[in-house]
Amino acid sequence: GDSVTQTEGLVTLTEGLPVMLNCTYQSTYSPFLFWYVQHLNEAPKLLLKSFTDNKRPEHQGFHATLHKSSSSFHLQKSSAQLSDSALYYCALSAGAKLTFGGGTRLTVRP
Amino acid sequence: GALVYQYPRRTICKSGTSMRMECQAVGFQATSVAWYRQSPQKTFELIALSTVNSAIKYEQNFTQEKFPISHPNLSFSSMTVLNAYLEDRGLYLCGARDWGQDTQYFGPGTRLLVL
Repeated sequence: GDSVTQTEGLVTLTEGLPVMLNCTYQSTYSPFLFWYVQHLNEAPKLLLKSFTDNKRPEHQGFHATLHKSSSSFHLQKSSAQLSDSALYYCALSAGAKLTFGGGTRLTVRP
Repeated sequence: GALVYQYPRRTICKSGTSMRMECQAVGFQATSVAWYRQSPQKTFELIALSTVNSAIKYEQNFTQEKFPISHPNLSFSSMTVLNAYLEDRGLYLCGARDWGQDTQYFGPGTRLLVL
């Protein structure tokens, strides 16, 4: 079946440093990949979605590139901001169902 | 834009009682609705997937007898948690899929507390 593996647990960064959260996946099909961000006591919100034409999606300074050869969709940002502190989930969709990774908590310190 | 509403946002019920939660898609036609539970310290567990014109498919460890779902049209779905116990606590999320965009949008969730 489908599965998603993310950088586990907690990532702590100093403001201004680059962000990279890893996401790899396994799927029988050619899935869409997503990154969702969840702030404290809120529902997850869509941050990025992969494109079929391999364009690199960008939003709020974050970007991710789908690499089918390595089955990866790592989330990156050149400079972390305090407001980026949240839970990040990588997910794949190979039909109507979303399969989530375990989530990575990003904490950005001053 | 595409929005998903859920009601209630938070509810408390006594152990052994039941509660119903609702999900409404606005601004798009939800060809499928997935219900998830996010328990404390856990990622999202898919409870069931309801697709228009198909039977509702429940994941392992979740049953229709415990979590009956209604999906009468392309904008509305409801799920009931029957005989709720402590292990049913968590944030219940509704994800409505806009097939044209191939994207799943989440509602704000219904937080269930069981006493």
